[in-house]
Amino acid sequence: DAKTTQPNSMESNEEEPVHLPCNHSTISGTDYIHWYRQLPSQGPEYVIHGLTSNVNNRMASLAIAEDRKSSTLILHRATLRDAAVYYCIPVPFFHSGGSNYKLTFGKGTLLTVNP
Amino acid sequence: DSGVTQTPKHLITATGQRVTLRCSPRSGDLSVYWYQQSLDQGLQFLIQYYNGEERAKGNILERFSAQQFPDLHSELNLSSLELGDSALYFCASSVALNAGPSGNTIYFGEGSWLTVV
Repeated sequence: DAKTTQPNSMESNEEEPVHLPCNHSTISGTDYIHWYRQLPSQGPEYVIHGLTSNVNNRMASLAIAEDRKSSTLILHRATLRDAAVYYCIPVPFFHSGGSNYKLTFGKGTLLTVNP
Repeated sequence: DSGVTQTPKHLITATGQRVTLRCSPRSGDLSVYWYQQSLDQGLQFLIQYYNGEERAKGNILERFSAQQFPDLHSELNLSSLELGDSALYFCASSVALNAGPSGNTIYFGEGSWLTVV
C-alpha cells in the first residue's frame, strides 16, 4: 500500500476555506485517492475521491497534483460540523477485478474549526 | 444515518469472556468489513467478507473470528477477551468487492464500544 503523510492537526475559522494537504509520493498509477473523515464519536464517512483531474462534489473539492504525488482536500467554507479527522487513502483500482477493496487508514489530520 | 446497523452499541464484559458483535449492512451491499479503533492503534482493518466468503484478512487476532450469513449480516466473535481488546469496533459495507472509477463508497456504522474490565 502507498504511504501517506498528513499534518497531525490543522485549525481553521468558521466560514473560511480550509486546505488539507496529503503527500502520497509512492502512489501507483492505478491508485485512486480517496478522502474519508471521522467526526467525533462516529464512524468514518466518505468525502471525495479522484484519479488525476480535480474533482468537486457537494462536500468538498479535491485538487490532485500533476505528478499525483500529493493532493489537497478543499473545504470551501468550513463549518463547526466539519471538525473531524480527515484521512487521505490511496485505493488500488484493478480493471480486471479480483482485488479486495479495503481502506488502510493512517493517522489523518485533526481539523479544528473555531467559531 | 449510513444505513449500516451495529449492535450492541455499548458492551462491558470481563476478561476471559466471549462476545459477539452484530452488523447489518446497507440494503444491497454484498461486502462487509470489520475495523477496530483503539486510542493507541487508530483504525485497523480486521477482515472483509463478500457475499458470504472471506476475502481479505488484516490484523485480526486468532482469538477473533467473523462470518457473513446468507442474509448478508455479519458477526464478529471475540473470545478470551483481554483488557487490550477494549476498543470501538466498526462494521462497514459496500456494494462491490472492488473500487472502480465510481469509487464504491464504503459506509461505516456507528460502532460498538467494547470495554473489557
